[in-house]
Amino acid sequence: EPEVTQTPSHQVTQMGQEVILRCVPISNHLYFYWYRQILGQKVEFLVSFYNNEISEKSEIFDDQFSVERPDGSNFTLKIRSTKLEDSAMYFCASNQRGSETQYFGPGTRLLVL
Amino acid sequence: GNSVTQMEGPVTLSEEAFLTINCTYTATGYPSLFWYVQYPGEGLQLLLKATKADDKGSNKGFEATYRKETTSFHLEKGSVQVSDSAVYFCALRNTGFQKLVFGTGTRLLVSP
Repeated sequence: EPEVTQTPSHQVTQMGQEVILRCVPISNHLYFYWYRQILGQKVEFLVSFYNNEISEKSEIFDDQFSVERPDGSNFTLKIRSTKLEDSAMYFCASNQRGSETQYFGPGTRLLVL
Repeated sequence: GNSVTQMEGPVTLSEEAFLTINCTYTATGYPSLFWYVQYPGEGLQLLLKATKADDKGSNKGFEATYRKETTSFHLEKGSVQVSDSAVYFCALRNTGFQKLVFGTGTRLLVSP
């Protein structure tokens, strides 16, 4: 069964460093998302992406964040200058046009020291 | 705004016990409602969904009914198994938006 994959599974970085989290959505899906979950808190929406542009974003998704679909398969989240409060589990998701079901990847656990 | 409230966990049950995990929501429109489950080390998986009032979603013995009058979508299962141990997330998607709004998740622990 097709699945969303994410790399790396864990990332440790120093405050102020740039990180890129990678996702490979399901191949025929057209809508892509990033969510995050700070330990012990809710899963929060960050951004959605469709037709090579951001379609919706939350207040969390400020200028430090960017997303890109550099080729036909990858979908990336970049954090330019990480802060301690960016430590969280980051989930990628995707869905087909016309379907409400979002398929999630296993997540990348980011720790900022 | 839109929000989802779930009961605090963990919920600890013995095998074959009845499960209820409460979920209530606040939404400005007519949302679709979802339950996602996260098994250890895995991503979020859709468990069931309901798209309008009085719809019942069901899957793997789990059920939830969309109650507009009480703005609730409680998850139930008649007889839980050890393999049901996981974190359960209630979520909504409001009309005109793609994003999911999640609750905090409820951890279920089932012992033999």
